[in-house]
Amino acid sequence: NAGVTQTPKFRVLKTGQSMTLLCAQDMNHEYMYWYRQDPGMGLRLIHYSVGEGTTAKGEVPDGYNVSRLKKQNFLLGLESAAPSQTSVYFCASSYPPVPSQHFGDGTRLSIL
Amino acid sequence: DQQVKQNSPSLSVQEGRISILNCDYTNSMFDYFLWYKKYPAEGPTFLISISSIKDKNEDGRFTVFLNKSAKHLSLHIVPSQPGDSAVYFCAAKDSGAGSYQLTFGKGTKLSVIP
Repeated sequence: NAGVTQTPKFRVLKTGQSMTLLCAQDMNHEYMYWYRQDPGMGLRLIHYSVGEGTTAKGEVPDGYNVSRLKKQNFLLGLESAAPSQTSVYFCASSYPPVPSQHFGDGTRLSIL
Repeated sequence: DQQVKQNSPSLSVQEGRISILNCDYTNSMFDYFLWYKKYPAEGPTFLISISSIKDKNEDGRFTVFLNKSAKHLSLHIVPSQPGDSAVYFCAAKDSGAGSYQLTFGKGTKLSVIP
């Protein structure tokens, strides 16, 4: 009954370091999404996937890469972290044609 | 350019009264609208939705109204309860987007005062 699980929950990085955020869903959802939420900015789509082995760019993709090697997992990578990437990252999944998305509890990332 | 706008960053309501949260949109291709509720340190959770072919949808204490001609929707919570205190996001789906992408507003923080 986990739904969407994000790891880690918190992380502090130094500028230039790399890391990968993991999203796992157990609902057999086809579509998965990565968002970032900044103060006063709402949720902005970074990348999304409409199925295993597929990825596409969202509204704010620069500085991020993603992979969907398995249907249940969607990875978000930061190759060279920058302070502007300090944010809360949310993963979501959905099962079209139902439009609603199910969200994880987020990863709070600080880059110094 | 913001396609989904929530112009009120915050709203305070007395317990038992009605809470009305508003949302405006600019994209005529939006065909489905959703409201999400978010508590601190948690992810957004789906609350209620409405298709563009309807003008009202009700679920318990929550009702969403859609005015297509004005490109406006609102969420009514009656009666408001302290547990309703959260940030509410309005979201919309573009009928032309095969990925079922959602465009979110910036959110309105609702505080229900006991």
